[in-house]
This record gives sequence, C-alpha cells and structure tokens, in this order.
Amino acid sequence: QKEVEQNSGPLSVPEGAIASLNCTYSDRGSQSFFWYRQYSGKSPELIMFIYSNGDKEDGRFTAQLNKASQYVSLLIRDSQPSDSATYLCAMHMNRDDKIIFGKGTRLHILP
Amino acid sequence: IAGITQAPTSQILAAGRRMTLRCTQDMRHNAMYWYRQDLGLGLRLIHYSNTAGTTGKGEVPDGYSVSRANTDDFPLTLASAVPSQTSVYFCASSDGITGELFFGEGSRLTVL
Repeated sequence: QKEVEQNSGPLSVPEGAIASLNCTYSDRGSQSFFWYRQYSGKSPELIMFIYSNGDKEDGRFTAQLNKASQYVSLLIRDSQPSDSATYLCAMHMNRDDKIIFGKGTRLHILP
Repeated sequence: IAGITQAPTSQILAAGRRMTLRCTQDMRHNAMYWYRQDLGLGLRLIHYSNTAGTTGKGEVPDGYSVSRANTDDFPLTLASAVPSQTSVYFCASSDGITGELFFGEGSRLTVL
C-alpha cells in the first residue's frame, strides 16, 4: 500500500461546477501536504500547500486537511476547461524528510 | 533564469549500458530529489538528498545510484540499464521552508 492514496479517475466535471479531489495518507506524523497540477507532457507545478487542520483558500482553490481522518482534499470552484490536468497529492514525511506522491487523479472539465 | 536543469532531455539506450542523468540547480536549495513517472503510477521517489554529502533511498531505489558532492548537482546513475527503467525522470529541489518542490523539465529515457 502506498503511503499516499488517490483515485486515479478520470473524474469528469461540467464546466462551472465544483471539482472535488481526494487523497488519504498513512503516516500520522506527517505535517505538510501539497497539491500539484500536471499538464500532459509537462512538469508538475504547485497549486497549494496546507499544514494545519481545516480549510485554506486561494482564489478558486480550497485545500482541506483532516489529520484525525488522515485525508486531504482539493476543491476547484467554477471549473474551467484549463483545469483539465492530472492532480497529484504529496506528503512530506517528517521521519525521514521524504516527499511522497500519490498516483494522481486525472480531471476532465467538460465544456 | 533560475531553476533546475536536467540533461539529456531524451535518450534511447541499449540494455546493459551505463547512463547518468544530470541535474543542476542554481537556487541554493539544500534538498534534492529524483522521481520517475510511469503511466498510472504517479511520481515515485527513487533517491533523495537533504543536504550536500548525504543521500537516502526512496520508494524504488534498486538499479539506481546518486551522489551529492555539492549543493548544486545531483546526478542519477543507472549502472546497467534494463527495459523496466524506461520512464520519464524528474529532478526536483526544495527550499526547505515551505516544502515546495521545484521540478526540472524531465528526462525521457527509453531502454531497449
């Protein structure tokens, strides 16, 4: 079992709707969590990071962290076709400073 | 432009050959990482280094080695390439403050 689990999708969402991406993790000691977006053939780029329980908002993006339940999610409001990409959840593991990724979720925004 | 430079961009290699993928950063980041990306498997950590002079094994280290002689360079070596090492390889560095990873453009390696 991977340390970070994601549903690989594809997840299809109509344009203008809310896209919800989820990630669970196994290392209770981890403190830092990240969401990266990767377009086909490109390198991953950071969307958001979150350290504290609760919600963190940045424009159309909201990251949610629940350490008790060991999950982190990303909400994309007013989804646009340009949001179509693979979204990668990552975790910084405190015990050895590794940064581990999930398999990624492919998101398709339907025009 | 500051960032991470990987070389080569693409390479076709015969099985059994030795290959070194180069990675150089000019951001003075302490931590550096090598990942491989295969369809449906996301990014898998091969090796990492938290600071110059130290390295650690990731999720899939077998068949690969790394060195970190200085802050800027973090080469990845395949001693004897096998077809299962066909992949896209990403080098990344981290500022150690936010934990954000900065990625190179990737190296596409095909082992025949």
